[in-house]
Amino acid sequence: KNEVEQSPQNLTAQEGEFITINCSYSVGISALHWLQQHPGGGIVSLFMLSSGKKKHGRLIATINIQEKHSSLHITASHPRDSAVYICAVRSGNEKLTFGTGTRLTIIP
Amino acid sequence: DTAVSQTPKYLVTQMGNDKSIKCEQNLGHDTMYWYKQDSKKFLKIMFSYNNKELIINETVPNRFSPKSPDKAHLNLHINSLELGDSAVYFCASSHTGLPYEQYFGPGTRLTVT
Repeated sequence: KNEVEQSPQNLTAQEGEFITINCSYSVGISALHWLQQHPGGGIVSLFMLSSGKKKHGRLIATINIQEKHSSLHITASHPRDSAVYICAVRSGNEKLTFGTGTRLTIIP
Repeated sequence: DTAVSQTPKYLVTQMGNDKSIKCEQNLGHDTMYWYKQDSKKFLKIMFSYNNKELIINETVPNRFSPKSPDKAHLNLHINSLELGDSAVYFCASSHTGLPYEQYFGPGTRLTVT
């Protein structure tokens, strides 16, 4: 069993829908990262959070430390949001442990 | 300006060869990382260097040797390449200390034939 589990593995939605991707982890962490990997392969950091909630544009990330759970939400989804979204947790020695990713496809 | 750059972007080579992948960051970060992404797109840490010192060394064959000539560079040398080494290798960098965001390079797709 991975230390970091994501769900769903694949998600297809219509443009405009509200998207939720979940991440659960089983280890103590100092921070949790949400990353986006586009079909071209590049990886971009979306959020890093250790408590509460962060918002960038249409993206919202939340974390519940007690429940060891984080969610990434996308409002008013758009085809350009189609990508793989990866949750990663940071432990005390700077090491990142990654989830298996959620492949999101937004259909126009 | 490219923040984290890697060369080459693509590398095709035969089994048994030795190859290197270079990484450079111009962000003033003092920690750099190498990650491997396998065919199932799963990312895994390989190495991390802080101020040219190795701080993370996961269970990686000793055919892989990272080298950090200075804080801005972390190169990955691979000896005696095997088919299973085929993957995409990502370099990343960050500040040290409090959790900081990591900035990723564009990746190097290594294909061993």
